[in-house]
Amino acid sequence: GQQLNQSPQSMFIQEGEDVSMNCTSSSIFNTWLWYKQDPGEGPVLLIALYKAGELTSNGRLTAQFGITRKDSFLNISASIPSDVGIYFCAGLSQGGSEKLVFGKGTKLTVNP
Amino acid sequence: DTGVSQDPRHKITKRGQNVTFRCDPISEHNRLYWYRQTLGQGPEFLTYFQNEAQLEKSRLLSDRFSAERPKGSFSTLEIQRTEQGDSAMYLCASSFMVVRETQYFGPGTRLLVL
Repeated sequence: GQQLNQSPQSMFIQEGEDVSMNCTSSSIFNTWLWYKQDPGEGPVLLIALYKAGELTSNGRLTAQFGITRKDSFLNISASIPSDVGIYFCAGLSQGGSEKLVFGKGTKLTVNP
Repeated sequence: DTGVSQDPRHKITKRGQNVTFRCDPISEHNRLYWYRQTLGQGPEFLTYFQNEAQLEKSRLLSDRFSAERPKGSFSTLEIQRTEQGDSAMYLCASSFMVVRETQYFGPGTRLLVL
């Protein structure tokens, strides 16, 4: 089945640093979504991307939909302690299926 | 606008028992999804409804699992004869598909089967 390769698996950074994570796929997606999940909670939508090449920001977060439609990245600038959590990319493929395919997540730790 | 709600938030049961979870989507969202998430993994798709019709089911959804969405509003997910391998977080999401699909998730129901 479809798989998303998300990297890195985990990151340990100092407060104030910028962060970058990405997702790649062997399949084409027509929607990329980025979510953040805190322990014991459901994923919270951060950014949605619908068009190849699209670059979208949400505060300190910026995400891009890759030109090949097989990848996406998420950047967080000037990290703060509340950025701690697990970040997931999710893709929606062409062809009629409405299921999101998720990566395995990037666990972010921010040291104050 | 209230978000997606799920009940209960936590459930502990003994192997072999039946359990039922409820999901209330964002009002006016016509699509509702169920996902399952195990530790260290991303959510995996189980099934989805458009209004009251169940349109797609994953192979993960064994015969012991059944989902309903009567009247196209809330949904229930029932697991019969639970097994220890059913222990997971069960997530519900909803969306209002017009042109662009965006799924909003509830807080999840964490199931522990002893």
